[in-house]
Amino acid sequence: EAQVTQNPRYLITVTGKKLTVTCSQNMNHEYMSWYRQDPGLGLRQIYYSMNVEVTDKGDVPEGYKVSRKEKRNFPLILESPSPNQTSLYFCASRYPGGTEAFFGQGTRLTVV
Amino acid sequence: KQEVTQIPAALSVPEGENLVLNCSFTDSAIYNLQWFRQDPGKGLTSLLLIQSSQREQTSGRLNASLDKSSGRSTLYIAASQPGDSATYLCAVRPNTNAGKSTFGDGTTLTVKP
Repeated sequence: EAQVTQNPRYLITVTGKKLTVTCSQNMNHEYMSWYRQDPGLGLRQIYYSMNVEVTDKGDVPEGYKVSRKEKRNFPLILESPSPNQTSLYFCASRYPGGTEAFFGQGTRLTVV
Repeated sequence: KQEVTQIPAALSVPEGENLVLNCSFTDSAIYNLQWFRQDPGKGLTSLLLIQSSQREQTSGRLNASLDKSSGRSTLYIAASQPGDSATYLCAVRPNTNAGKSTFGDGTTLTVKP
């Protein structure tokens, strides 16, 4: 089954403790991206990657890092999480060009 | 900067009604527009993708239209069912950078039995 898998689904952590949210897709998609969803602000793009070793900033990249060492994986790294990064995070993937995007089930992160 | 607006923010209809959800965008130089469905606490499921050269796309009871010149798209749902209750989001991808998409805030639809 074609899917985008995020882990963990839920995470509560403390300020400053580094964490990684993993994202993996089994569709051989070149393009992957991360979004955060907040009430009243909608979905905002954090980072995206057009292919292996190619990443670029989205609209809200501050406080986040990503890497794309393999085509199927695109982890999101929070080096020093802060409470304002409490949010619902989504990973997405697709082929290049005008193809539909597939989303993961989301990771609900709470930073206390 | 592209801005995407969805009106209304919430909509409640009785089962069986036909309905239209609206999506407007400020920059008409788009590559494509995609409609998604999101159930509470869940991820986004793609419904329809319309390329900039297309006027509409259909899938079952859903029909999406695109008018680039006026910066508008509509999602038409025929014979609504309680299972259609969800939040519907539209997203536009710009011409200049195929990596970035801008989402609307969504319309939350409730279909009452």
